[in-house]
Amino acid sequence: QQQVKQSPQSLIVQKGGIPIINCAYENTAFDYFPWYQQFPGKGPALLIAIRPDVSEKKEGRFTISFNKSAKQFSLHIMDSQPGDSATYFCAASNGAGNMLTFGGGTRLMVKP
Amino acid sequence: GAVVSQHPSRVICKSGTSVKIECRSLDFQATTMFWYRQFPKQSLMLMATSNEGSKATYEQGVEKDKFLINHASLTLSTLTVTSAHPEDSSFYICSAHRDPSTEAFFGQGTRLTVV
Repeated sequence: QQQVKQSPQSLIVQKGGIPIINCAYENTAFDYFPWYQQFPGKGPALLIAIRPDVSEKKEGRFTISFNKSAKQFSLHIMDSQPGDSATYFCAASNGAGNMLTFGGGTRLMVKP
Repeated sequence: GAVVSQHPSRVICKSGTSVKIECRSLDFQATTMFWYRQFPKQSLMLMATSNEGSKATYEQGVEKDKFLINHASLTLSTLTVTSAHPEDSSFYICSAHRDPSTEAFFGQGTRLTVV
C-alpha cells in the first residue's frame, strides 16, 4: 500500500487549545482525504473529508487544510474538549468508494 | 448516517478453531466491503476487499486460505479466521460504502482473542 505519513504520534493539549495533526502523502492519484476519530474498542468514525479542489474545509470545530503542491493536509480542532480525547487517523484514496490508506494515527489527549 | 454492523464485538476462541465475523450494511446495499486488521496502538491495515458475488481481493502478505471472505449478498460479508493461532489475536474492522462515490462507514470492530 502507498504510504500516508501522519504526525505527531501523540499530542497533549489543554482544554480550549487547538491541536493540529499533519499528514503527507506520496501518491498523486489520491483525490479523497478523510479524517477519522476512533475511541478505544470502537471502529473509526468519519469526522470530515476533503477533495483536492479546495484548500480548506470546515465543519463545526474541525477544519482540514489542504496543500496540493506540498501533498500535505492537516486537521485542526478548535476549542478542544476532554471528550475529543481519542485517536485520529488521516486517510487517502483515489475515489471515495475505494480502499483507504491510513496514516499511523495520533493519540490526542485533551486535559481539563 | 449509514450503519454498518459487525458481529460479534468480542470473541475468545481456542487455538486451532475457526471464528466467523459478520459485517452487515443495515440500511444500504454495498457491492464492496473492506476488511481491516488493527493491532494495539497501531493503524488500520487493509486485509482484503470483499466483492459481492465474486472472489475477494487480498492484500500482499494476507493468507487467503486462512482468512476466508464470503460476500454472498449486497448487505453481508463474512470473514472466517481458520485454524486460529494466538498471533491472529487482533481487532478486525469492516467498512462499506453506500455507493462508489461516498465515504466509508465502519463497523464497530471485533476483538478476537485466541488462547
